[in-house]
Amino acid sequence: DGGITQSPKYLFRKEGQNVTLSCEQNLNHDAMYWYRQDPGQGLRLIYYSQIVNDFQKGDIAEGYSVSREKKESFPLTVTSAQKNPTAFYLCASSILALAVYNEQFFGPGTRLTVL
Amino acid sequence: DQQVKQNSPSLSVQEGRISILNCDYTNSMFDYFLWYKKYPAEGPTFLISISSIKDKNEDGRFTVFLNKSAKHLSLHIVPSQPGDSAVYFCAASSTTSGTYKYIFGTGTRLKVLA
Repeated sequence: DGGITQSPKYLFRKEGQNVTLSCEQNLNHDAMYWYRQDPGQGLRLIYYSQIVNDFQKGDIAEGYSVSREKKESFPLTVTSAQKNPTAFYLCASSILALAVYNEQFFGPGTRLTVL
Repeated sequence: DQQVKQNSPSLSVQEGRISILNCDYTNSMFDYFLWYKKYPAEGPTFLISISSIKDKNEDGRFTVFLNKSAKHLSLHIVPSQPGDSAVYFCAASSTTSGTYKYIFGTGTRLKVLA
């Protein structure tokens, strides 16, 4: 079955620790995205990548870092510099094609709680 | 500045009736719009989309209407079913920007009453 997997579903960390969230897709999609969802707010873009070894900051990149060493994988590291890391994190992917509209497919999400 | 707004945080509708969810946007460069449905603790799933060359797109019980002059889109669900109870997000993008980024609204929680 093709899809996007995020692990773990729930993650607890102590304040001041870095933590890495996993995102893997076997859809052969070019682009991958990380979003954060907070109560009462929409999905806010953290980082996105359109090609391997390249990525761009989204609207709320401060305190986060990413890598895209493989097409299938786009891990997100939440660093100690992120002031409010407790949130629901969503990974997505999409095909990229010029002049073609393509929706983003989302993983099941990881809920990170920093104690 | 919120470029995509869903001004109704919640909506309750009786089963079998029509649900109308609204979304407004401010950026005139947006030319592709989508609706996603989200259940708690799950990722959003794509529902329906519309490009700015159309003013209506229909898929089964779901219809999206786009009014470009008013910068407004709406999602109609007819008839509403209890399984439609979820949070609905609208999203917008500019296909000419080259970034393939979506801007999401804050969501509307729909509750369909049996």
